[in-house]
Amino acid sequence: DGGITQSPKYLFRKEGQNVTLSCEQNLNHDAMYWYRQDPGQGLRLIYYSQIVNDFQKGDIAEGYSVSREKKESFPLTVTSAQKNPTAFYLCASSPAQDSITYEQYFGPGTRLTVT
Amino acid sequence: AQKITQTQPGMFVQEKEAVTLDCTYDTSDPSYGLFWYKQPSSGEMIFLIYQGSYDQQNATEGRYSLNFQKARKSANLVISASQLGDSAMYFCAMIIYGYNKLIFGAGTRLAVHP
Repeated sequence: DGGITQSPKYLFRKEGQNVTLSCEQNLNHDAMYWYRQDPGQGLRLIYYSQIVNDFQKGDIAEGYSVSREKKESFPLTVTSAQKNPTAFYLCASSPAQDSITYEQYFGPGTRLTVT
Repeated sequence: AQKITQTQPGMFVQEKEAVTLDCTYDTSDPSYGLFWYKQPSSGEMIFLIYQGSYDQQNATEGRYSLNFQKARKSANLVISASQLGDSAMYFCAMIIYGYNKLIFGAGTRLAVHP
């Protein structure tokens, strides 16, 4: 079964701790993305990667970091510098680096709560 | 600047009736794509339908159709014969050729009543 997995589904952390969210895809997609969703709002792009070992900042990258060492994996670290980390985080992937015709496939999301 | 506007925070529809969810977009780029996604309460984003800026025909996928009016910069989603399982958040999104980033609207919550 091809798809995107995100783990865990729910994550709880204390303020001041870094936390890493996992995202794995077996769709052989080149591009991967991380979005943040706050209650009652749409998705905002944090980081995206079009190929291995390369990634770009999205609209709200401050306080986050990523890596893309393998095509299948795109982990997101929420650092202690992120002022309001509590949110729903969605990972996505798409087949081509530069296309407007390909949909983005989404994982099930991770709900992060920081207290 | 590119922007997606969904002006209906919430909508109600009776089961088996049709409903239109509004979406307007703003871009000066000639090459772009428009998407609609459904987000049930479980949180995952489900792709529904896609329309390219150069497509002459309105896109259709089963009970979903996209009413694309390029001059008015609108891309409304029409759901025919609503079902209880259609109750969810619906997001309109745009991608600009060469930027490879989806820009989302704030969403519309649809409730289907029996």
